[in-house]
Amino acid sequence: DTGVSQNPRHKITKRGQNVTFRCDPISEHNRLYWYRQTLGQGPEFLTYFQNEAQLEKSRLLSDRFSAERPKGSFSTLEIQRTEQGDSAMYLCASSSLAGGPNEQFFGPGTRLTVL
Amino acid sequence: AQSVTQLGSHVSVSEGALVLLRCNYSSSVPPYLFWYVQYPNQGLQLLLKYTSAATLVKGINGFEAEFKKSETSFHLTKPSAHMSDAAEYFCAVTDYSSASKIIFGSGTRLSIRP
Repeated sequence: DTGVSQNPRHKITKRGQNVTFRCDPISEHNRLYWYRQTLGQGPEFLTYFQNEAQLEKSRLLSDRFSAERPKGSFSTLEIQRTEQGDSAMYLCASSSLAGGPNEQFFGPGTRLTVL
Repeated sequence: AQSVTQLGSHVSVSEGALVLLRCNYSSSVPPYLFWYVQYPNQGLQLLLKYTSAATLVKGINGFEAEFKKSETSFHLTKPSAHMSDAAEYFCAVTDYSSASKIIFGSGTRLSIRP
């Protein structure tokens, strides 16, 4: 499978716990994006990387959120001290600079439930 | 900032009938526009994209969309609905203040009646 993969697919945690999600982009895609999707809404941009550099962060990304892409390949998104409002689907996407106007390929998402 | 508005959070059509999902965008510069489809418990799949070439764009699964600058619209159509078309559809636009991110509409859930 050469698509974008995300792990885990589902995560249930208690309020106050830390969680970490992983995204593996399509091989050789140098751009990687994180979005959050709540029930009944479209995805909302969180942050994106070009290679290992984090180039933009949304205001939605509070101090409790941190994303990394240390070697320019896979990325992790960590949420510290989770709150019930963090419950959502977290989507990862990747694209190539040569892929035309920002055509992004999405993974299946990680569904987070905070109890 | 750019934005998209999808009219109708839920659309229901009979199998074999025309599908029309409406999308209007807001942009002060020429936009790039997309339609994505999301099946239950899956990620988003690109249906089609408008990139300032032909105004009528053909996509996968028999869908097409027409860019109308005068109406700031990018409606999605399919002549004959199939049961497998039941899904959530998102219209989206690039944000030229940052060429990286995509701005999504709130989505339209398409149901197909037998």
